[in-house]
Amino acid sequence: GENVEQHPSTLSVQEGDSAVIKCTYSDSASNYFPWYKQELGKGPQLIIDIRSNVGEKKDQRIAVTLNKTAKHFSLHITETQPEDSAVYFCAAYTTGGGSQGNLIFGKGTKLSVKP
Amino acid sequence: DGGITQSPKYLFRKEGQNVTLSCEQNLNHDAMYWYRQDPGQGLRLIYYSQIVNDFQKGDIAEGYSVSREKKESFPLTVTSAQKNPTAFYLCASSIVDTGYTFGSGTRLTVV
Repeated sequence: GENVEQHPSTLSVQEGDSAVIKCTYSDSASNYFPWYKQELGKGPQLIIDIRSNVGEKKDQRIAVTLNKTAKHFSLHITETQPEDSAVYFCAAYTTGGGSQGNLIFGKGTKLSVKP
Repeated sequence: DGGITQSPKYLFRKEGQNVTLSCEQNLNHDAMYWYRQDPGQGLRLIYYSQIVNDFQKGDIAEGYSVSREKKESFPLTVTSAQKNPTAFYLCASSIVDTGYTFGSGTRLTVV
């Protein structure tokens, strides 16, 4: 079945710097890749997503890139702010395997932005 | 406003007791999901349902049970067979091939 690897598990940056989180997936049929932000004690919130027919998508300070050949996608946050501190999860939509038609999540990256 | 509501926010369970976590959505989503999250860990799928009156086990279904009698509701029962139930439980819903909308979670503690 689909497997999603996410790196790094923790990331600490200085306010104003950029942060990059990378994910790889195993199912070449995966066609949808969302990113979620989870603040402490809350449920994950969708922040950006990309489909397999697009190579890059941007929304203000966040962007996602997708390389279908290499089967990896990345989240880029520019001009980081303390309120960006949270746990970020990547996911890939799989249409086969044990959890057919579901999102498979990475294990998360804890981002800390230091003022 | 459309959304997904989990209740209660905090729940305490005694040893050997069954407890039920509520999840309701008014988004008209077909699919609903239950995840377990342990401190500092990722999301582990417990059960999911893609249509009313049908549901499938996820990766860690042992000790849990669900029902899907209505499109809007997907309650999760943590049974006494679940030996380590203390965790943060997240419910989500979606339509096919899209991202999930998550609830705000229920924190379950065994006392």
